[in-house]
Amino acid sequence: GQNIDQPTEMTATEGAIVQINCTYQTSGFNGLFWYQQHAGEAPTFLSYNVLDGLEEKGRFSSFLSRSKGYSYLLLKELQMKDSASYLCAVMDSNYQLIWGAGTKLIIKP
Amino acid sequence: GAVVSQHPSWVICKSGTSVKIECRSLDFQATTMFWYRQFPKQSLMLMATSNEGSKATYEQGVEKDKFLINHASLTLSTLTVTSAHPEDSSFYICSARIEVAGDLAQETQYFGPGTRLLVL
Repeated sequence: GQNIDQPTEMTATEGAIVQINCTYQTSGFNGLFWYQQHAGEAPTFLSYNVLDGLEEKGRFSSFLSRSKGYSYLLLKELQMKDSASYLCAVMDSNYQLIWGAGTKLIIKP
Repeated sequence: GAVVSQHPSWVICKSGTSVKIECRSLDFQATTMFWYRQFPKQSLMLMATSNEGSKATYEQGVEKDKFLINHASLTLSTLTVTSAHPEDSSFYICSARIEVAGDLAQETQYFGPGTRLLVL
């Protein structure tokens, strides 16, 4: 079956760095997405990785290892507004998104 | 970036009525749009894939006669919840896929803001 695993909840301190991991097992692979979702709102796109390596975009970076079925989202210089759920999703061979359950990130002052 | 709109943003209706939700890609054409449903504190659940000019593909367990999807143009998909009941109350989110032929790195999905449905 298809499976996306990510931690349910993480806590970090304002100004610090946090890494949210995602492992996946899917039928085919056409890229991995990270989305941010604030409570009560629709997810917003953060990053897309289809090749191995690190993609940096401001305070956020995303890493992919296809051989390991592994990705992480790295958030630097954490701000209170980064408190949200972070969703990992893999696009399978049918170009459908398989979603993880999301990681709730709690930022403390 | 690409913009996807949904209308209405929220709706309250009586049990038994039908509700139509529109999803529009404002600055790009989307041959494929997706409809999701999200219950409180749960992950997004894909309901169906909407393909322009053809029938939608529904996920297992989603009643196609209850959730009618029409993708009549490259910028508009509609979801109609027919004979809505309180258990249909949820957050409905659409997304539109930007496709770049032969360039997977350019493909991504953009989400609409969501429509909150409350059925009394």
